[in-house]
Amino acid sequence: DAKTTQPPSMDCAEGRAANLPCNHSTISGNEYVYWYRQIHSQGPQYIIHGLKNNETNEMASLIITEDRKSSTLILPHATLRDTAVYYCIASNTGNQFYFGTGTSLTVIP
Amino acid sequence: NAGVTQTPKFQVLKTGQSMTLQCAQDMNHNSMYWYRQDPGMGLRLIYYSASEGTTDKGEVPNGYNVSRLNKREFSLRLESAAPSQTSVYFCASSEIMQRNYGYTFGSGTRLTVV
Repeated sequence: DAKTTQPPSMDCAEGRAANLPCNHSTISGNEYVYWYRQIHSQGPQYIIHGLKNNETNEMASLIITEDRKSSTLILPHATLRDTAVYYCIASNTGNQFYFGTGTSLTVIP
Repeated sequence: NAGVTQTPKFQVLKTGQSMTLQCAQDMNHNSMYWYRQDPGMGLRLIYYSASEGTTDKGEVPNGYNVSRLNKREFSLRLESAAPSQTSVYFCASSEIMQRNYGYTFGSGTRLTVV
């Protein structure tokens, strides 16, 4: 799996869009980008994944650059409940996910 | 639909004791996983089972054994607990044949070894 790099922490004002970056410059052509989040001490929660095209679901949008070397997870209207650690993972197997330390997002009232 | 159920939720062991962490999923997923999470760190893969009858080592398998009892259940055993195994343990399952490759995690087992 390709190594991913994320900023350790970010703040976002409540109601604004939260844009979480992830660098995966060594990603291979068959590796997907996955995003998970972990709220406090709960088990991580799947958010979204994509290969080449941008993806959107009820939770978030995923923007992948054309060269696939980086991506951005967008929470369109952040709420206090979105405060969590967000993990970006690149994998071609769909299993054996290796989680890094992620980005700790704090949504500020 | 309970998803992934882990038992126990909390456990305190003395050094050298053994115990088994239980995990069961009701989503008919083929793949199951055990992770540990230490304070301030991300999750690290201990063992996984891609399908019933198979198990493989992950990133940090030393000191652990696993059993894929059937499609629903995947247990993690500590034969001789050490303080270094104090951690939060998460079980997860997934079905990679589905378009949604997402993992479903349990709520965790908080283990303290004294």
